[in-house]
Amino acid sequence: AQSVTQLDSQVPVFEEAPVELRCNYSSSVSVYLFWYVQYPNQGLQLLLKYLSGSTLVKGINGFEAEFNKSQTSFHLRKPSVHISDTAEYFCAVSASSYNFNKFYFGSGTKLNVKP
Amino acid sequence: KAGVTQTPRYLIKTRGQQVTLSCSPISGHRSVSWYQQTPGQGLQFLFEYFSETQRNKGNFPGRFSGRQFSNSRSEMNVSTLELGDSALYLCASSPRDRVDEQFFGPGTRLTVL
Repeated sequence: AQSVTQLDSQVPVFEEAPVELRCNYSSSVSVYLFWYVQYPNQGLQLLLKYLSGSTLVKGINGFEAEFNKSQTSFHLRKPSVHISDTAEYFCAVSASSYNFNKFYFGSGTKLNVKP
Repeated sequence: KAGVTQTPRYLIKTRGQQVTLSCSPISGHRSVSWYQQTPGQGLQFLFEYFSETQRNKGNFPGRFSGRQFSNSRSEMNVSTLELGDSALYLCASSPRDRVDEQFFGPGTRLTVL
C-alpha cells in the first residue's frame, strides 16, 4: 500500500521568509503527485501537480515543487510567504491500482505565517 | 466550467438520525469520490463511484453508503448518526476514469449533537 508522509505537522514562519513543506511517499510504480491547500472551513484547492515532464513544477500563488524520484520526495517551496498563505497544506499521491488510480493523502502541514 | 458543488454546506443533526449529502461533479466528470475529514483522523477515503458503480471503498461501517446517478451526481447517506460522525465531508470529481487528478468541492460540515 502507498503511504504519504508529511514530516512537519506545523511550520511557523515569518512573513517574507522562504518556506519548504516536506513530503515523502512510498512507491515503486509511476505516480502522480499533488499539493492541495485548505483554508478554514473550505474544501481543498489544487496548488500544483506533477503528472510527467519537467520535475520542477510551478503552481498558483507563487508556489513550486520538485519531484525527486530517487528520494521519493515532492517538497513544496515558496521563496517569500505572505500572511494570506496561512492555511493547511496536503500532499497527495495518485498511484495505479488495477485499471484505475487511488489517491493517498498525507496528514497535512499547517503553515502559520507571522507578521 | 462550474466547479464541484456540494449541498448543503452546513448541517446539524442529532444522534440516531440519518443524513443525505449531495455532490454535483464538474460537467463531464464521471468519477466521484467522497472523503471524511476530522481533526484527529485527517482525510479518510469513503468510496468512489464511476458510471453509477462503486469501484472502491474505504474502511467505514455499513452505515455509510452512497450512490451515483446517470448524470454523475452523487449522494452519500449516513444512517444512525453517531457523535463521531461530526466531520467535514468532501466530494471530489475526476475528469478521467483513472482518477489521476481530483477536483474538490467546498465540503459539507456535519455536526452531530
